[in-house]
Amino acid sequence: GENVEQHPSTLSVQEGDSAVIKCTYSDSASNYFPWYKQELGKGPQLIIDIRSNVGEKKDQRIAVTLNKTAKHFSLHITETQPEDSAVYFCAASKNDYKLSFGAGTTVTVRA
Amino acid sequence: EAQVTQNPRYLITVTGKKLTVTCSQNMNHEYMSWYRQDPGLGLRQIYYSMNVEVTDKGDVPEGYKVSRKEKRNFPLILESPSPNQTSLYFCASSLAAQTEQYFGPGTRLTVT
Repeated sequence: GENVEQHPSTLSVQEGDSAVIKCTYSDSASNYFPWYKQELGKGPQLIIDIRSNVGEKKDQRIAVTLNKTAKHFSLHITETQPEDSAVYFCAASKNDYKLSFGAGTTVTVRA
Repeated sequence: EAQVTQNPRYLITVTGKKLTVTCSQNMNHEYMSWYRQDPGLGLRQIYYSMNVEVTDKGDVPEGYKVSRKEKRNFPLILESPSPNQTSLYFCASSLAAQTEQYFGPGTRLTVT
């Protein structure tokens, strides 16, 4: 099955700085890559997703890039704020209902 | 309010005592799924359902059962729980494959 690796496992940034989380996937047939944010005590929530026919997607301070050749994709958060502190998960899926998640990155934004 | 609900939110049980975790969604979603979350392992898919009476195994189905008799409900059944099933469980639903999944609040299960 699909194997998704996520790095780093923890990330501490100064408020206002950028944060970058990287993921790699093993199955070249994967074509859908969502990112979920999980706040303490809650279920994950989708923040952005990208499909394999697109190389980059941006939504305000959040952007995702995809390199299909290298089989990796990244989440970029600019101008980080305290409310960005959470656990972030990347995931990958091919044309079915299975979704494989990375192990997660705990992001802490220091005031 | 559109939501996914799970019950119970917390459960402590003993090895071998059958239990059911309920999941319900009010968004008329076709797709529902169960995940378990363990430290360092992220979210792993247990079972999913594409529609009523249609279910399939995820990556870690051993020791679990599911059923989808109604569109809104997707219960997770542990017929003989073991300590290695101690975990945080999430139910999720979405309109279709490869669309936003809406997660429930989670059920923390401890098996002693």
